[in-house]
Amino acid sequence: EDKVVQSPLSLVVHEGDTVTLNCSYEVTNFRSLLWYKQEKKAPTFLFMLTSSGIEKKSGRLSSILDKKELFSILNITATQTGDSAVYLCALLLAGSARQLTFGSGTQLTVLP
Amino acid sequence: DSGVTQTPKHLITATGQRVTLRCSPRSGDLSVYWYQQSLDQGLQFLIQYYNGEERAKGNILERFSAQQFPDLHSELNLSSLELGDSALYFCASSVAGASGGNTDTQYFGPGTRLTVL
Repeated sequence: EDKVVQSPLSLVVHEGDTVTLNCSYEVTNFRSLLWYKQEKKAPTFLFMLTSSGIEKKSGRLSSILDKKELFSILNITATQTGDSAVYLCALLLAGSARQLTFGSGTQLTVLP
Repeated sequence: DSGVTQTPKHLITATGQRVTLRCSPRSGDLSVYWYQQSLDQGLQFLIQYYNGEERAKGNILERFSAQQFPDLHSELNLSSLELGDSALYFCASSVAGASGGNTDTQYFGPGTRLTVL
C-alpha cells in the first residue's frame, strides 16, 4: 500500500528560526511529490518536485527531493508568524489517474 | 484565491438526508477531484472526473456519487447521511487528468464544511 509519512507531527518555533519538515514515502509508481500549505481553509500549492536533487525555491521556502532515499524536505528560513499552518506532503502516482495521496501533515506554530 | 469555487461554504443537515455540493474548476482545467478531510482521516481522495468522464475512484462510499457536466462544473451528491460524514469537502482542479496532460498541479477550492446532526 502506498504510504506518505510526515515528521514531525507538530513543531513550535520562534520567529526568525529555520525549520525543516520531512516527508518520506513508499509508493510503487512515483510521478511527483507536492507540498501544500493549509491554514484554516483550502490547501495552497507550494511546490511540485519530480526530479531528484533539484531544489525548488520561493522566497524563504525551499524544497528538494531524494528519489533514491524516498524523501523530501521543506525548509523555511527566517520564519514569521504568518508561516503558522499545516504543511502537507502529497504524492502523485504515474498512470492515467491523477489523484493525490496525502500525508497527515506537520502543524507548524511560529511564536512572536 | 485559487480560481476554484465551491458552494455552499457551510451546510448543516440531519442524518438520513441528502445534499449536493457544487464545484466550478479554474478556467481551462479539465479535471475535477473531490477530497474529504476529517479530523481522524486527514485528506482522502474520493473521485476524479476528466472532461465529463469518471477517471478514478478512491475510498468513496456507495452512498456518495458525483458527476461532471458539459460546462465542466462538478457536483458531489451525498445521501443517507450519517454523523461520520461530517467533514470538510474539497474540490480541486487541474489541467491534466489523463495521459497527454502537461501539468499535474491541483488547485483547491475553499471547501464545503458539512455538519450532520
